[in-house]
Amino acid sequence: AQRVTQPEKLLSVFKGAPVELKCNYSYSGSPELFWYVQYSRQRLQLLLRHISRESIKGFTADLNKGETSFHLKKPFAQEEDSAMYYCALSSGSARQLTFGSGTQLTVLP
Amino acid sequence: DTGVSQNPRHKITKRGQNVTFRCDPISEHNRLYWYRQTLGQGPEFLTYFQNEAQLEKSRLLSDRFSAERPKGSFSTLEIQRTEQGDSAMYLCASSLAGRRAEAFFGQGTRLTVV
Repeated sequence: AQRVTQPEKLLSVFKGAPVELKCNYSYSGSPELFWYVQYSRQRLQLLLRHISRESIKGFTADLNKGETSFHLKKPFAQEEDSAMYYCALSSGSARQLTFGSGTQLTVLP
Repeated sequence: DTGVSQNPRHKITKRGQNVTFRCDPISEHNRLYWYRQTLGQGPEFLTYFQNEAQLEKSRLLSDRFSAERPKGSFSTLEIQRTEQGDSAMYLCASSLAGRRAEAFFGQGTRLTVV
């Protein structure tokens, strides 16, 4: 069965510092991975997906199949990046998402 | 707001009562998902519809839970004989068909069973 692990429940960094949110997965097939973000009082929304290989709001994530990881990175954190971040894996014919338990990122001024 | 809409936003019910939640997906989306999220956890998949057909159900979906999408548009999730362990945020998401379609989430219904 598939599993997504986010080892850090809380992460605090200062504005302008680099940030890395860790995500590891286990899945027997070819994984399709996503990062979702939930800002305060807002709904869950897609931040980026590995197949797009794009940078959104300065964030990037690289799929490392050898380490089964999909860490989210940003070189210079901003206060508006403070949010809950969820790593997710899509699987099955229904393409349902398996989520990690989330990391609450706080960017301090 | 033309996104996924869920009602009610909050529901408090006594243990043993039945509750029903509604989800209105984005109009052209034929895929609809229900997830449950408990405190400190990420969302967990409950069930999936393609149009009006319920094609997948998680083992989390006990016999007390039933979901419908009668005309392939809105969906309802009913919980019978609620238990305190049912207290959670219930999320609905919808998407177009296609392997790379993005899932859009509603704001959820927070259920508290007292």
